[in-house]
Amino acid sequence: DAGVTQSPTHLIKTRGQHVTLRCSPISGHKSVSWYQQVLGQGPQFIFQYYEKEERGRGNFPDRFSARQFPNYSSELNVNALLLGDSALYLCASSLNRAGDGYTFGSGTRLTVV
Amino acid sequence: GESVGLHLPTLSVQEGDNSIINCAYSNSASDYFIWYKQESGKGPQFIIDIRSNMDKRQGQRVTVLLNKTVKHLSLQIAATQPGDSAVYFCAENSGQAGTALIFGKGTTLSVSS
Repeated sequence: DAGVTQSPTHLIKTRGQHVTLRCSPISGHKSVSWYQQVLGQGPQFIFQYYEKEERGRGNFPDRFSARQFPNYSSELNVNALLLGDSALYLCASSLNRAGDGYTFGSGTRLTVV
Repeated sequence: GESVGLHLPTLSVQEGDNSIINCAYSNSASDYFIWYKQESGKGPQFIIDIRSNMDKRQGQRVTVLLNKTVKHLSLQIAATQPGDSAVYFCAENSGQAGTALIFGKGTTLSVSS
């Protein structure tokens, strides 16, 4: 079975642009969470979605948004990119809201220049 | 604030030695703790977890100890191997915001043969 898949794997954007990152959860998983990992630090929670609704949000500005589709895949959108948004963006899926089977993908490396 | 931190940014050991990686947490309401291993270019990989009603949990070559009195978590790796070289993070879940995990900064384990 495929694990959590994220696309693209690498991305370079210019300041002020917007970006869309995609995540496909493990088959059967209904919850998706997004994290930002800046180089040298631990991942920081951005969003959790379960059954297509936002269930949790971390301390990130409104430039960050996400959604979950009927097939439980998810998109993370970031508008008006800043240099400080350069990071590894990780997606994690789980069976349910409680987090059973919590598994991370390999992430999307975003570089803002 | 709520945070999880690791005591040492780096740890170097010889192959075959036992490794101990430490972590301090500040949120006494946290009830679930996880250790992750992250290799370069990959997402965090689950190693072992422990709930707050336990003091110790063992897996294959790994043991997690939880001391709630001093809010301390440790990961012990027996007979450390070169393949154990990676960054190790502890993470906590306080039960807020769904399955949002709070990560520390990580300890880089280097194993020399």
